This record gives sequence, C-alpha cells and structure tokens, in this order.
Amino acid sequence: KAGVTQTPRYLIKTRGQQVTLSCSPISGHRSVSWYQQTPGQGLQFLFEYFSETQRNKGNFPGRFSGRQFSNSRSEMNVSTLELGDSALYLCASSLGGSPSYEQYFGPGTRLTVT
Amino acid sequence: AQSVAQPEDQVNVAEGNPLTVKCTYSVSGNPYLFWYVQYPNRGLQFLLKYITGDNLVKGSYGFEAEFNKSQTSFHLKKPSALVSDSALYFCAVRDRENYGGSQGNLIFGKGTKLSVKP
Repeated sequence: KAGVTQTPRYLIKTRGQQVTLSCSPISGHRSVSWYQQTPGQGLQFLFEYFSETQRNKGNFPGRFSGRQFSNSRSEMNVSTLELGDSALYLCASSLGGSPSYEQYFGPGTRLTVT
Repeated sequence: AQSVAQPEDQVNVAEGNPLTVKCTYSVSGNPYLFWYVQYPNRGLQFLLKYITGDNLVKGSYGFEAEFNKSQTSFHLKKPSALVSDSALYFCAVRDRENYGGSQGNLIFGKGTKLSVKP
C-alpha cells in the first residue's frame, strides 16, 4: 500500500497570506490527524477527523481549520499567517474508530513564513 | 490533563550496548501508549504500542518497551544498539476512556535524541 502523502512538501509564504495543505491517507484509513512540529514546542495536536467529522481539536487559534472529504483525504488551512506559524506540519492516518490504532505519518509539509 | 515526559533530551550509547529511552505519562484513565521514531527530514514511524495484556511489548527493528502501571512508565529498550538506530524517539499517550472527548487526543513527549556511536 502507498503511504500517507502530503502536498506540497515545501512552502514559503508571506505574513498575512493564507495557505492550504493537503493530505492523502493510506487506502482504507478513515481517520486523519494533523500536527504541528517545531523545535521549541515539539509535536502539537491540531485536529483529528473521522468520516468527515472533526472528532478532536487542539489548542490552536481559529486561524487553523481543516476538513475531510468523503474519500478520507484531508486539507488544513491557515489564514492570516504569522511568523510563528513556520513549522513542519504532519498528517497522520489510521483505521479510525478506536483509540488503540496506531497512526501512520506522512513526510510533512515544511512551511516557512517570512 | 494528560501528559508525557521524556526526561532525557539526548541519550548516547556505544554500538552493541543496550539502550533505554525513558518515558513517563499521566492520564486520568487507562492509557494507550505508543513509541514512534523520526529520522531526519522524515515523518514519524510507528515502533510499538501497549494496549492491554503482557507488560512487555515487542515492536519493529528489535525494540521493546515495558509498561509499568505503578510507576506510570513505558521505557523503550533494545538489547544491542546499532548506529542506524540514531534518530529522534517520541513517546505518546492516549486516554482510552476519553477518546472522542477533549482529553482524547494523542499527546506526544518532547522527544529524545538517540545517538549511537561506532
């Protein structure tokens, strides 16, 4: 099976702009989670989607949003970008429906905000 | 609130020696526990997990972890380290009773950098 894919892999944006990141989960996986990884804060949970519904949301401002489509693909959007949004954004998929399932991560999208 | 602590930022081991990467956790209910590894410029890879049953869990690449409920720990171990094991290791916990609620997220530790020297 193909792994989790994320596009684009690298992105440079200017403060105030918005950005959309895309994630395609492993075939058959219905849950997609998003994480922000930075050297200072480590891995922080953004949100989790299961069957097109947001199941959980982390402590991020409303500028961060996401959605999941019927084919389980997911997008996350960050509006009004700030310098502090520069990070590696990781998407992870799992079978979903149970907290015991492990997550499979994509390679990430490296976002740089200037 | 649930949390994970990895007390060591870095662990240095000589090749062939045993290694231990420490992890302690705090959840209000019973935990599901996971270990992941991250190689440079790559996403995280799943190593192993504890759900229930035997406290000693075996995973990928010869790694194992021991669940200790009384000490709320889930240390990662390997009998003989390889240079190729050098990477960033993350412990993660999820509260099984609160899945779907505000405390049901998968929470990661800060990570421990493992360096194995020849």
